[in-house]
Amino acid sequence: KNEVEQSPQNLTAQEGEFITINCSYSVGISALHWLQQHPGGGIVSLFMLSSGKKKHGRLIATINIQEKHSSLHITASHPRDSAVYICAVRYGGSQGNLIFGKGTKLSVKP
Amino acid sequence: GAVVSQHPSWVICKSGTSVKIECRSLDFQATTMFWYRQFPKQSLMLMATSNEGSKATYEQGVEKDKFLINHASLTLSTLTVTSAHPEDSSFYICSAMRGYSPLHFGNGTRLTVT
Repeated sequence: KNEVEQSPQNLTAQEGEFITINCSYSVGISALHWLQQHPGGGIVSLFMLSSGKKKHGRLIATINIQEKHSSLHITASHPRDSAVYICAVRYGGSQGNLIFGKGTKLSVKP
Repeated sequence: GAVVSQHPSWVICKSGTSVKIECRSLDFQATTMFWYRQFPKQSLMLMATSNEGSKATYEQGVEKDKFLINHASLTLSTLTVTSAHPEDSSFYICSAMRGYSPLHFGNGTRLTVT
């Protein structure tokens, strides 16, 4: 069974701090997604990774296929980054299944 | 960017009635659509995966006769909660993708069953 573990569960940071959220999974995947869910419920897809590293603004996502591990980094964090960040892995090809981590609740204090 | 429209955004219904939630991909053809539910302060829980041209695949523990999913076309999927009960009250979200594209999420539907 493919499990997805995220850490930490909760994270409080001061504005400007560098933040790292980790995601580990247990079997081979075809893609890994990082999602952001704001308090109102809306979900935004931040990254989809199958290898290497991607950067978008202050967000960086990396994945190590051999170690079955991905990290989401936020540089120069801001209160508007406060949200729940969710890691999801897809396995079984382009029409495969998704498994979600439990999410990391990030709170950035001004 | 790709847009997924989910409707309604909230609905209140009486126990025993059925509720239909629509999920539309507005500017792309979605070969796969996912339906999730989320209880307060919990993560997303995948309910079912619907691929083009095949019946929905339900996750373990999800009653397929209660949560009817119809992937009517490449741009429309519907979730019908049949004979709703108060314990079905939850936040239901859909997402859509094509092949290896990123996931695109609807804004969710908050269902309250009284």
